[in-house]
Amino acid sequence: NAGVTQTPKFQVLKTGQSMTLQCAQDMNHEYMSWYRQDPGMGLRLIHYSVGAGITDQGEVPNGYNVSRSTTEDFPLRLLSAAPSQTSVYFCASRLRGDNQPQHFGDGTRLSIL
Amino acid sequence: GESVGLHLPTLSVQEGDNSIINCAYSNSASDYFIWYKQESGKGPQFIIDIRSNMDKRQGQRVTVLLNKTVKHLSLQIAATQPGDSAVYFCAEKAGGSYIPTFGRGTSLIVHP
Repeated sequence: NAGVTQTPKFQVLKTGQSMTLQCAQDMNHEYMSWYRQDPGMGLRLIHYSVGAGITDQGEVPNGYNVSRSTTEDFPLRLLSAAPSQTSVYFCASRLRGDNQPQHFGDGTRLSIL
Repeated sequence: GESVGLHLPTLSVQEGDNSIINCAYSNSASDYFIWYKQESGKGPQFIIDIRSNMDKRQGQRVTVLLNKTVKHLSLQIAATQPGDSAVYFCAEKAGGSYIPTFGRGTSLIVHP
């Protein structure tokens, strides 16, 4: 199993551009989520999904959209990139159930100029 | 490398020492707790977890202690090695919630 795969690993955008961060998992996990990580601030939840067709907002959803058309994929869309969205983005997945740990990808490092 | 260690609490130890990383959690309804290790340039990696019906759980060279009375969690690493240098995060989750909440992290530096 590849686990959780995120692409691209690095990206530089100009303010106002849009892009999609890809996340795929091959563990048949029902739950998937997106976090951003900024220096000294830990992981903040952007959006999450508990199954195909179901998404919900996390702590910092503004400026981001998600969709979950398949169990495997959970893309994160930046609609109009802003410098405040410069961050490292992590995707995670886990099995359904109360006591299941999340598995993380290795992140996408995004810079907005 | 990553700058995620900036402004984080830091623990410096000598190789071979035991390390103790502490975490205070906020939600008294949390009943599942997880420790993650994050190396530079990588995503968080699961280390060990504990449910609220336990107060101690051991893994390979790691032990997690849970004190629900004071809402405190600790991760003990025995015979710390340079490869243990990383940022360590605790996470808490309440029963019925979907996604855990993460702490800010502690940077562990192991000196050879």
